Amino acid sequence: GAVVSQHPSWVICKSGTSVKIECRSLDFQATTMFWYRQFPKQSLMLMATSNEGSKATYEQGVEKDKFLINHASLTLSTLTVTSAHPEDSSFYICSARLAGVPYEQYFGPGTRLTVT
Amino acid sequence: QKEVEQNSGPLSVPEGAIASLNCTYSDRGSQSFFWYRQYSGKSPELIMFIYSNGDKEDGRFTAQLNKASQYVSLLIRDSQPSDSATYLCAVTGTASKLTFGTGTRLQVTL
Repeated sequence: GAVVSQHPSWVICKSGTSVKIECRSLDFQATTMFWYRQFPKQSLMLMATSNEGSKATYEQGVEKDKFLINHASLTLSTLTVTSAHPEDSSFYICSARLAGVPYEQYFGPGTRLTVT
Repeated sequence: QKEVEQNSGPLSVPEGAIASLNCTYSDRGSQSFFWYRQYSGKSPELIMFIYSNGDKEDGRFTAQLNKASQYVSLLIRDSQPSDSATYLCAVTGTASKLTFGTGTRLQVTL
């Protein structure tokens, strides 16, 4: 149980284009999903917290107009990287929290984004 | 001061030995503590969590928490080559957000 999927697993796009990444909780309802970014040899950095049906809460330094997050249902959150640049190339990982279990997060497999 | 600190390693232990991974945190209000294992190119997977002072054992893994010292550790007994990975310590506070350390790379040698 508690499986989280991400799609796509990797994507290459050209500078200036937009990319959408999907995060789904497959066998549970996730009232809250989190989006992280990880650069090589660095730890995970929280980008934003996404609550179903409401606006995402972004961490300091993360541009909300560049990283659009939509959490339309209890099983799906999407991250859209708009006008991507090479410095946005990173490993993007989502996680989902079980409703009623406040401290445990289950991670998706991650999406490797390369912007050329 | 970083919120969650770990020695980056690599920590090298021979197969069958005990690996000891350490983590300190700065927020005294931290409530939950997690150890994740991350293989290269993969996302983290939860190994253990601990909420209360003391030890918690699960198979070959033991988590130890000392809130007074703001210290949490992970012991891996009978280390196997498959345990070679980066181990991430993560902490949550009242906001329930996970704050990760930079991770310790463990190498189990044959």
